[in-house]
Order: sequence, then C-alpha cells, then structure tokens
Amino acid sequence: NTVMTQSPTSMFISVGDRVTMNCKASQNVGTNVDWYQQKTGQSPKLLIYGASNRYTGVPDRFTGSGSGTDFTLTISNMQAEDLAVYYCLQYNYNPWTFGGGTKLELK
Amino acid sequence: QVNLLQSGAALVKPGASVKLSCKASGYTFTDYYIHWVKQSHGKSLEWIGYINPNSGYTNYNEKFKSKATLTVDKSTNTAYMELSRLTSEDSATYYCTRWARVGFAYWGQGTLVTVSS
Repeated sequence: NTVMTQSPTSMFISVGDRVTMNCKASQNVGTNVDWYQQKTGQSPKLLIYGASNRYTGVPDRFTGSGSGTDFTLTISNMQAEDLAVYYCLQYNYNPWTFGGGTKLELK
Repeated sequence: QVNLLQSGAALVKPGASVKLSCKASGYTFTDYYIHWVKQSHGKSLEWIGYINPNSGYTNYNEKFKSKATLTVDKSTNTAYMELSRLTSEDSATYYCTRWARVGFAYWGQGTLVTVSS
C-alpha cells in the first residue's frame, strides 16, 4: 500500500502565522493528491485537489504544491477558523490512502 | 444543492451486522461514484471502497473486503454499506462521500457505530 506520511503531527501556531505542512508518499503518486480540513465534530472538507488546485470557495490563503512523492499545504496568514486537522489523500493507487493528519493548535 | 444524508447512530452487539444508509439528493445519483470512509475515534481516515451507482460495480480496500458490502438502490437514490461480524475494532464513524474529478467535495454527516454487548 502507498503510505502517506504527514509532518509535523501537530503545530502550535498564532493567528497571522504562515503555516507549512508536508505529506510524503511512499511511491510516486503524480499529482493525484487532495487535501482535506476536518474540524472537531465535523465531516472533512475539501481544500485542494490534484495537488495544487484550490476547490471552489476555498480562501486563497490555502495553497497546495508538489508532485511525485512530496506535497505541501501552506496557509498564509493563519486565521482562528483554520484550527483543525488537515489530511492528505492519494488516489493514484488502490487502496486510496490518507495521511495521519496534521493538527493545528493555538500557541 | 447536493446533500448526502446518512442514517443515525447504531449500537450493535459483537458478532452482529449493521447496514448503514446514505441518501443522495440534489444531483443525478448515477453520475457519481459513492465512496465510504472509516474514522476511528481520534484517529485518521481509512478508505473502505466505492460503488458505481449506475452499474453496481464495486472496488474495495483489501482490508475491508470481508467486512463491508456496498450496494445501492437507484429507485431511492440511496447507497448502503453493510458491516458484518462486528467487533470492537469496527466501532467508528463511517462517512459516505461523493467522488468527482475535483475530489471528495460532498460528505455525509457521518454515522457512529458502537459495538458493545
């Protein structure tokens, strides 16, 4: 199976910070990676598809990049409502696999 | 507007089965695959598999092949997932979600399954 390793597992941040989190695939998945945001008690929400495409309505402070095995989600100018767990997903290989998540917490 | 409405929480005994539902509305049901995702408490997400509502074709994560059975009822625009021979390891929230080229843009609200005697 394709393992998606996210780092860091948690981050303590302040409002206004620039936040960068990573997702590393155990094999080449091209750009078949999405990013999802999940707030406590809610269903996941799509942020980025195809590694770098922002989904409709997602604020432009969210940016995805990468291809092959290394992917990054950046939040510029972090807002309080961005506190959540973020997951990457690869859909290049069966079974589709999610990363373990990166949790953003307030400093 | 697209909506995926899942069935309510279930408390089931070990060894029993449970059938979860996911009723779709706001779009043509047969145009999009429905996927199912498991989330154990406080843990990450696991992809279970998907079904093509038009043909009934299914694709499972090998890990869930003997655990989950995906079906649809096109007459009611509803997708189902039956989980069999339940153990405590199956206690989790299960989501249905609609796949499109832009990703999992729509999710159900989740169904909490608790396995306990």
